[in-house]
Amino acid sequence: DAKTTQPPSMDCAEGRAANLPCNHSTISGNEYVYWYRQIHSQGPQYIIHGLKNNETNEMASLIITEDRKSSTLILPHATLRDTAVYYCIVRVGSGYSTLTFGKGTMLLVSP
Amino acid sequence: ETGVTQSPTHLIKTRGQQVTLRCSSQSGHNTVSWYQQALGQGPQFIFQYYREEENGRGNFPPRFSGLQFPNYSSELNVNALELDDSALYLCASSLEGNYGYTFGSGTRLTVV
Repeated sequence: DAKTTQPPSMDCAEGRAANLPCNHSTISGNEYVYWYRQIHSQGPQYIIHGLKNNETNEMASLIITEDRKSSTLILPHATLRDTAVYYCIVRVGSGYSTLTFGKGTMLLVSP
Repeated sequence: ETGVTQSPTHLIKTRGQQVTLRCSSQSGHNTVSWYQQALGQGPQFIFQYYREEENGRGNFPPRFSGLQFPNYSSELNVNALELDDSALYLCASSLEGNYGYTFGSGTRLTVV
């Protein structure tokens, strides 16, 4: 699976949009971009995934660049409960392919 | 729809002992993965089971072993515990290894 690069930490004011970047310059054509987050002392939580088109769900939006070498996870209106470590992972979409976690980005949402 | 449940939530063991951790996968999921998360690190893949067969393994020694049962629940066994085995052990399930995995809240193992 391709490696990803994320900033170690980011801050965001409550109510503002949080934009979390991820670089995955060696991504293969059949690899998806996944985002998970882990709130302190809990298991990781799936947020969203995409292949090449932008995706949106009730939690977040995922913007993938046209060359697929980077992506941005957008939390449109961050709340204090969004404070967590966010992991960007690339993997093939099915079958045997593990989730390879890096250190992620610690997002701190402040009042 | 129930999520992934793990037991116990916390455990303290002595170096050299053996431990068994349990995981009930989400309803309808047939694939279970186990991860080890040391303090301050991202989860590290241990192994994965698909329909009762191990179909992938990370860089962990053979004293880490597992089982998946016909109802797709799973066990992680660790023999000859070492101090460095102290970690949060996470179980995750999915359908056919597709897309999003659902994680449990983990078992916090402390080896003294």
